[in-house]
Amino acid sequence: QVQLQESGPGLVQPSETLSLTCAVSGGSISSSYWSWIRQPPGKGLEWIGHFYYSGSVNYNPSLKSRVTMSADSSKNQFSLKVSSLTAADTAVYYCARRGTTRALDIWGQGTMVTV
Amino acid sequence: QSVLTQPPSVSGAPGQRVTISCTGDNSNIGAYYDVNWYQQLPGKAPKLLIYAYSDRPSGVPDRFSGSKSGTSASLAINGLQAEDEADYYCQSSDNSLSSSYVFGTGTKVTVL
Repeated sequence: QVQLQESGPGLVQPSETLSLTCAVSGGSISSSYWSWIRQPPGKGLEWIGHFYYSGSVNYNPSLKSRVTMSADSSKNQFSLKVSSLTAADTAVYYCARRGTTRALDIWGQGTMVTV
Repeated sequence: QSVLTQPPSVSGAPGQRVTISCTGDNSNIGAYYDVNWYQQLPGKAPKLLIYAYSDRPSGVPDRFSGSKSGTSASLAINGLQAEDEADYYCQSSDNSLSSSYVFGTGTKVTVL
């Protein structure tokens, strides 16, 4: 049973760069596409992007200039960086697995980030 | 700005049937991209409910069903139960956004 766990700073200053990590257990990071999604307080879901461990990426065009995703296969985890933060980036950030059906079939519990 | 539109809220009494619409256009649902549905219970992470328009992952009750017609998709909940009170989101891809994933605006289901 694959499980995901996000970790991050909780509070970040405006204009700084956010770094989040998603640890994968019960499966290999090299076997799937991995996604990040965020949800501002009281609002809907926003897809940030997804990537494959080999380097193939697809980012939301509205965030593309500020987002970087990467993987650390030695630790079986992947990361998200969002630069030039503003208050509008305040949200719960989720990591998720894109399954073979291309749906987001496994989600982490989410981590709240306040800018 | 979501490209998939859902009603903000729907409600029903226990045992009733409710449906949630997800309206897109020819760059997403109408372009034959899959539509998936997620259930988000209060304070929890979203959970995959329906994938590829109408398929249910293992463990999802068969009172949840999905369908698609043209540039819209729908989620139906038959025999509404108290534990179904949650937010529901549709999701597809959009070829005008480099095949990015897009979520619907979300619908709050209230069990009366």
